[in-house]
Amino acid sequence: SQQGEEDPQALSIQEGENATMNCSYKTSINNLQWYRQNSGRGLVHLILIRSNEREKHSGRLRVTLDTSKKSSSLLITASRAADTASYFCATVLDMRFGAGTRLTVKP
Amino acid sequence: EAGVAQSPRYKIIEKRQSVAFWCNPISGHATLYWYQQILGQGPKLLIQFQNNGVVDDSQLPKDRFSAERLKGVDSTLKIQPAKLEDSAVYLCASRTATALNTEAFFGQGTRLTVV
Repeated sequence: SQQGEEDPQALSIQEGENATMNCSYKTSINNLQWYRQNSGRGLVHLILIRSNEREKHSGRLRVTLDTSKKSSSLLITASRAADTASYFCATVLDMRFGAGTRLTVKP
Repeated sequence: EAGVAQSPRYKIIEKRQSVAFWCNPISGHATLYWYQQILGQGPKLLIQFQNNGVVDDSQLPKDRFSAERLKGVDSTLKIQPAKLEDSAVYLCASRTATALNTEAFFGQGTRLTVV
């Protein structure tokens, strides 16, 4: 069974806008991570948030974690066309992904 | 640092044939994963190795899929016999052993087409 479940399934925005995607998980969390996948490529690690953290920033990325709701969100600010990709979450211990959020950033 | 290497990049076979994929993880990475990603879906974990031992193979269709990791380094994933629904990208990933604050590194994948 898949553990990370991302929402929405697809998101289309204009360049410069912010993009927010959500993730829910089922297991007891250890740490949670987000990955990006460009079409036809492998996944690339974006950011990891520890179970005792509530928010973390990395460049244009902001991740939040709510362990009581077993959910996380990824915010990409000032999006660029190059951010067009699929985004996945997974807990570090489980490493199981959902269907992902397909983000399209229009120039 | 060299990344995770996978081969071949592409493979086309007929149904009922056999196929094998190879993965060379990053040096020193004890944990290795194999995923199946069908077009339009997320990666599905097939098997996880810790060194040469299996940690989780609960989603591996064992009637036709097998995987091994001899000497705890390279790994092969085999399908025998292949079915049309096995058409997918097969991804390999690796990470350092027990640390829970490290990222996994993915290879570019092998795209399998079963006709």
